Amino acid sequence: SAVISQKPSRDICQRGTSLTIQCQVDSQVTMMFWYRQQPGQSLTLIATANQGSEATYESGFVIDKFPISRPNLTFSTLTVSNMSPEDSSIYLCSGGLAYTGELFFGEGSRLTVL
Amino acid sequence: ILNVEQSPQSLHVQEGDSTNFTCSFPSSNFYALHWYRWETAKSPEALFVMTLNGDEKKKGRISATLNTKEGYSYLYIKGSQPEDSATYLCAFYPGAGSYQLTFGKGTKLSVIP
Repeated sequence: SAVISQKPSRDICQRGTSLTIQCQVDSQVTMMFWYRQQPGQSLTLIATANQGSEATYESGFVIDKFPISRPNLTFSTLTVSNMSPEDSSIYLCSGGLAYTGELFFGEGSRLTVL
Repeated sequence: ILNVEQSPQSLHVQEGDSTNFTCSFPSSNFYALHWYRWETAKSPEALFVMTLNGDEKKKGRISATLNTKEGYSYLYIKGSQPEDSATYLCAFYPGAGSYQLTFGKGTKLSVIP
């Protein structure tokens, strides 16, 4: 299994600011993903982080709002840009095994936007 | 849009009780069904990855069954303990070049000592 470290674990942010979340995996997983869980909702995939190239975004998510980097196999960042209260969520980094789809998760970053 | 439903949404049981909850998912284009346990302030933890119709997997007091033809899976907890309190998530994985898991909203279990 993979151990995934994510930081910050929580933050309170002001409207209009941006925050970058970092994710470090301790082994080389095939895939890295960023998820969001808004209050009362399912875990929703934001994007697949691709090594050395632009992330692949799911419907409803755009690069300008959620820029993602993955400079190597084991590190990725997600930026939540120009935050509004609707962005208050838990953001989770995960590493996946393509064969079974099994995911290993970080502990999440709980963002509150005032 | 794939629809993964979990019921009940939340559940309170007494310590020692056995319980079960349900995940329903599309019966077509099935590759795997995952169960995760998510305790507060911790990472979601994979419990089971189930791929075959009729599969039954067990991990200690927790077990799960899978029916791919009718599109449902049950998670059972025998003799619930307070440490079982968590949100249990199921996720549908279609495989076939799609790496996206579609999650249900989860069942929040609270075990009362």
